Amino acid sequence: SQTIHQWPATLVQPVGSPLSLECTVEGTSNPNLYWYRQAAGRGLQLLFYSVGIGQISSEVPQNLSASRPQDRQFILSSKKLLLSDSGFYLCAWRPQDLAFFGQGTRLTVV
Amino acid sequence: GENVEQHPSTLSVQEGDSAVIKCTYSDSASNYFPWYKQELGKRPQLIIDIRSNVGEKKDQRIAVTLNKTAKHFSLHITETQPEDSAVYFCAASPGGTGKLIFGQGTTLQVKP
Repeated sequence: SQTIHQWPATLVQPVGSPLSLECTVEGTSNPNLYWYRQAAGRGLQLLFYSVGIGQISSEVPQNLSASRPQDRQFILSSKKLLLSDSGFYLCAWRPQDLAFFGQGTRLTVV
Repeated sequence: GENVEQHPSTLSVQEGDSAVIKCTYSDSASNYFPWYKQELGKRPQLIIDIRSNVGEKKDQRIAVTLNKTAKHFSLHITETQPEDSAVYFCAASPGGTGKLIFGQGTTLQVKP
């Protein structure tokens, strides 16, 4: 069966520290992969999406970057976190039209 | 690019009443419109979706309607129950882009 894994579930990081969130998908090949951010009480903002290895589209210019080193792996990174980077980060994949979300990472920058 | 507007941002109804959430989209190339439900602290879960070649779709107490000409679609929940309380998101996907753009969300509260 197809599953999506995202970790860690929670993270507290100081301002200026680096970030690496990882998402992996099992049971499929060449999935479309996505990173969304949800600020407290807000909607789902599309940050990055990828339709294949090395293909990354950025939706919003900001302090984050994404990479897809393997077919089923999608990584969200930052070199120096800002307070405004706090939020609930969700990885998602789309086998076709439907999108399935990972469990999410609650990031608090202090 | 695609922009999705969702209204209202909050909605409070009595148990048993109906709830309607509306969304508009900007990109006429969008051809897939899902609705997600997110409970507090959880991941969004798909509840219903509709494609652009269909005007209406129903699944038990939930229905979605699509007006391509006006570029809007709506979620209808009938006979609401307290467990329907959650945040609901609409989304639109422009064909051929891979993107899935979400609305801002509607917090639905069903009062017993």
